[in-house]
Amino acid sequence: VTQTPKFRVLKTGQSMTLLCAQDMNHEYMYWYRQDPGLGLRQIYYSMNVEVTDKGDVPEGYKVSRKEKRNFPLILESPSPNQTSLYFCASSPTEMQPQHFGDGTRLSIL
Amino acid sequence: GQNIDQPTEMTATEGAIVQINCTYQTSGFNGLFWYQQHAGEAPTFLSYNVLDGLEEKGRFSSFLSRSKGYSYLLLKELQMKDSASYLCAVPDSNYQLIWGAGTKLIIKP
Repeated sequence: VTQTPKFRVLKTGQSMTLLCAQDMNHEYMYWYRQDPGLGLRQIYYSMNVEVTDKGDVPEGYKVSRKEKRNFPLILESPSPNQTSLYFCASSPTEMQPQHFGDGTRLSIL
Repeated sequence: GQNIDQPTEMTATEGAIVQINCTYQTSGFNGLFWYQQHAGEAPTFLSYNVLDGLEEKGRFSSFLSRSKGYSYLLLKELQMKDSASYLCAVPDSNYQLIWGAGTKLIIKP
C-alpha cells in the first residue's frame, strides 16, 4: 500500500487530497487517523469500486473509489482538528488482516 | 457499545517474558486481532484469534477467552527490536475494526 505524500503542512481551508494505492487486488480499503492516546479511528472504508461507507469519524472528509487500486481521501476545507497521522489500509475481505501504508502526517495551521 | 481496554505502557527486560492484556466488550464476536506498530511506522499484523485458547507463533503467542472478553499477547525471549506499541482490535457489527489505544512496550537491556 503506497501513500502520498508522507508529510504536508496546510493552512486552514486549503484543500488537500491524500492518495492511497494498493497493488494486491484487494477488495477492501480503509482510511484511519491516529492521534495520541486515541488509537486508530476509522474515517471511511470501501468494499469495492463505487461502494463506500462512513466509519466512526467521517466529518470533514470525503472519499471516492473509481478504480480498485486507488482510494483517495479528500479534505475540502481542513481545520486544525484534522491535524493527525493518516493511514490507508487494504484487505482481501473484511475479516482478513489489513495491510497498511506508511502513513501521511498532516499538520493544519 | 464497543469498548477495548489495554494498559497504556509496560516495561520489560531483554530476554524476559511479557504479557500484554486486552479486554473488550462487543455486541457480537468475530475474532480478535493483534498488530505491532513501531514508532513512526505502519501497524503490521501479528495474530488473529477466533476460538478460545492459545495460539503460538514463534516467540509470540496470543490467547483468547470469549466468555471473559479477554485476550493477551505473550512475548518470549524479548529483544530490543520488540520495543513497539501493540494494538488489539475487534470487528464491530459491520465487521469494521474497533481499535484499542495500544500498549507501548519498552524493553530495557
